[in-house]
Amino acid sequence: NAGVMQNPRHLVRRRGQEARLRCSPMKGHSHVYWYRQLPEEGLKFMVYLQKENIIDESGMPKERFSAEFPKEGPSILRIQQVVRGDSAAYFCASSPEDRGIGETQYFGPGTRLLVL
Amino acid sequence: AQKVTQAQTEISVVEKEDVTLDCVYETRDTTYYLFWYKQPPSGELVFLIRRNSFDEQNEISGRYSWNFQKSTSSFNFTITASQVVDSAVYFCARYSTQGGSEKLVFGKGTKLTVNP
Repeated sequence: NAGVMQNPRHLVRRRGQEARLRCSPMKGHSHVYWYRQLPEEGLKFMVYLQKENIIDESGMPKERFSAEFPKEGPSILRIQQVVRGDSAAYFCASSPEDRGIGETQYFGPGTRLLVL
Repeated sequence: AQKVTQAQTEISVVEKEDVTLDCVYETRDTTYYLFWYKQPPSGELVFLIRRNSFDEQNEISGRYSWNFQKSTSSFNFTITASQVVDSAVYFCARYSTQGGSEKLVFGKGTKLTVNP
């Protein structure tokens, strides 16, 4: 059973460009979470999605950031017009479709975004 | 906000020493879940343990053990006979349903260096 997949693992963008980060959850998982890790910091929640629905985007900046989890295909975190402060590691996690409260979230390897 | 505090920013030990990583959490919930994750130098996040608030039994897994104390709101992690491969950043996290969503609230992590 493959784990959570994220690509690319490393992404370099110049200021003003767009960054697209992809996440494929574990098989049988339909809940996806995105977290951001700034240098020397812990992980901060950004957004929680289920298939075709955004459940909670309270941790995501209101501008330039968006996320989706379509019926088919991976979840996408999109950052438009990137700025240097967006440089961070972005982690995706997933949890099972049939799960109880407090279910474990399993993380992907992360995407390291560097904005020049 | 209900925080997770890892007061130790960095710890350095010599191989074979025992080391304890502290974690103190805040919560108003009667039912809650706590987690530890490991982030080795390669950068991925590895799940270590999930503990619910009903179960105050300490847990042991090989050289790893966890001490859950509700009275002091602590969930400490001990590595016995540390090895160089234990060098990593360790994160404690609390599951939160604040706002009707589901997310993990992480501490800032403790960087453990095990020297040969």
